[in-house]
Amino acid sequence: DGGITQSPKYLFRKEGQNVTLSCEQNLNHDAMYWYRQDPGQGLRLIYYSQIVNDFQKGDIAEGYSVSREKKESFPLTVTSAQKNPTAFYLCASSFLDRVGDIQYFGAGTRLSVL
Amino acid sequence: SQELEQSPQSLIVQEGKNLTINCTSSKTLYGLYWYKQKYGEGLIFLMMLQKGGEEKSHEKITAKLDEKKQQSSLHITASQPSHAGIYLCGAATITQGGSEKLVFGKGMKLTVNP
Repeated sequence: DGGITQSPKYLFRKEGQNVTLSCEQNLNHDAMYWYRQDPGQGLRLIYYSQIVNDFQKGDIAEGYSVSREKKESFPLTVTSAQKNPTAFYLCASSFLDRVGDIQYFGAGTRLSVL
Repeated sequence: SQELEQSPQSLIVQEGKNLTINCTSSKTLYGLYWYKQKYGEGLIFLMMLQKGGEEKSHEKITAKLDEKKQQSSLHITASQPSHAGIYLCGAATITQGGSEKLVFGKGMKLTVNP
């Protein structure tokens, strides 16, 4: 089945630790996105990528890093510089990043701090 | 920057009742997306509207975009427990680089009591 796979579903981070969230898609989509969702705040864009080896900062990129070495994969690293990492992280992808191109979402990863 | 306000913030209805959710934008909407989210899960795409006055329906859900393209509504007819969840509206915005990103409202939590 085609879709977007996020792993793990739950992740725990210790103080000072970097953790990486995986996002893989087999939809042949060009664009991929990472969002953060906090209770009562909706979704906020962290990073997005239009093509391989290129990505742009979203609205809340500080404390996060990404890579896009393959079209299918867009991993997100939550670094120790992110002081409030506890949140629900959602990955999305779309064919093109123009108006009218629908973003499809993965099932999410819930990150908590130990 | 564009902001979306959703109302009401939450709603509890009895099964079989009709309901309407609103999404108001601070700027003209070029594309408006409606998504549904079950708690702790990813977003499911419902509908996308682009033209002023446009209306789309899927099963018992109807979405409309007003003529001025600043407000959208989502109407559910004869609600069922399966309609329960969080409904989010997302507005397409164009970045300085010419690519598209979505700005989301904070969501509306719907509870349907049997």
